[in-house]
Amino acid sequence: DIQLTQSPSFLSASVGDRVTITCRASQGIATFLAWYQQKPGKAPKLLIYAASTLQSGVPSRFSGSGSGTDFTLTITSLQPEDFATYYCQQFENYPRTFGQGTKVEIK
Amino acid sequence: EVQLVESGGGLVKPGGSLRLSCAASGFIFSDNTMAWVRQAPGKGLEWVASITSTSRHIFYADSVQGRFTISRDNANNSLYLQMNSLRAEDTAFYYCARSEYTSAIAFYDYWGQGTLVTVSS
Repeated sequence: DIQLTQSPSFLSASVGDRVTITCRASQGIATFLAWYQQKPGKAPKLLIYAASTLQSGVPSRFSGSGSGTDFTLTITSLQPEDFATYYCQQFENYPRTFGQGTKVEIK
Repeated sequence: EVQLVESGGGLVKPGGSLRLSCAASGFIFSDNTMAWVRQAPGKGLEWVASITSTSRHIFYADSVQGRFTISRDNANNSLYLQMNSLRAEDTAFYYCARSEYTSAIAFYDYWGQGTLVTVSS
């Protein structure tokens, strides 16, 4: 199985900050990676697919990059509504594993 | 508008069974691979199972293999998860998700609101 390791697991940031979350795969997955945002009590929401493609309707302050084993989700100028937990997921093969999540909280 | 609505969750004793349903609307259900993803309270996301559009290919997480069965009824736009031999560690919110593709790269673009399964005596 492909393991995905996110870092950090938790980060505290202020409105307006630039935030970077990393997802590392245990083996190469090309660009078969998606990023999701989840708020408490809600279903996950797709932000980025194919490692760097912004889902329709998602603000442009979100961006994704990477290929192979190392991936990054960046939020430029963090907004109040961005405080949430973020997950990466690989689609290179089954099982479709997720990273353990990164919780972004208000400093 | 794409909608996925799960139902069938509830309280069940260890060793018991439960059948979850996901009613899909707003898209051509028979075109898409579908999946179940779960989340134990306060924990991360765990992929459970996937089924391709014609049910030809089915995949399970090791943690549910042999106990859970995913199925679909394309005529009725419905996805199912039959859960048998339930354990306390199966307690979770269960989400159905639609799989979409671009350039052969998949992702889950729509999710239901989730249904809670609690396994406890």
